[in-house]
Amino acid sequence: GENVEQHPSTLSVQEGDSAVIKCTYSDSASNYFPWYKQELGKRPQLIIDIRSNVGEKKDQRIAVTLNKTAKHFSLHITETQPEDSAVYFCAASKTGNQFYFGTGTSLTVIP
Amino acid sequence: DVKVTQSSRYLVKRTGEKVFLECVQDMDHENMFWYRQDPGLGLRLIYFSYDVKMKEKGDIPEGYSVSREKKERFSLILESASTNQTSMYLCASSLPSRGTQYFGPGTRLLVL
Repeated sequence: GENVEQHPSTLSVQEGDSAVIKCTYSDSASNYFPWYKQELGKRPQLIIDIRSNVGEKKDQRIAVTLNKTAKHFSLHITETQPEDSAVYFCAASKTGNQFYFGTGTSLTVIP
Repeated sequence: DVKVTQSSRYLVKRTGEKVFLECVQDMDHENMFWYRQDPGLGLRLIYFSYDVKMKEKGDIPEGYSVSREKKERFSLILESASTNQTSMYLCASSLPSRGTQYFGPGTRLLVL
């Protein structure tokens, strides 16, 4: 099956700085890569996703990039704010049905 | 707005007890999932279901079973709870092949 690795496991940044979280996947057939944000005590929620026919996608301060050749994708958050503090999970899927999640990155934005 | 609910937020059970965790979604989603969330291990898939009475094993099915008798309801069953099943359990649902998973609030289970 698919194996998704996520780094770093913890990340601290100053408010206003950028944060980058990286994931690699093993199955070249994976073609859909969502990112979920889980605030403390809350359920994971989709924040952005990318499909394999696209190299980059942006939504306001967040962006995701995909390198199919290298089999890695990254989440970029610019101008970080305290409310960005959360655990972020990447995932990969080849069917859009079953997903394989990374181990999560705990992001802390220091005011 | 999609709503996924779980029967309990917190649950304390004794070793050997049979435990039922229930998940209900109101968006007519075909797919439903049960995950286990542990620190440093992320979300691990226990079982998923494509349709009523259909089920597929995920990555860690041992010690668990599931039931889906109605489309909106997906139950996770711990036949004989053990301490290593102490965890946060998350249910999710989605449309087929559409990607976005909608999660429930989670059930934090403590097995003593």
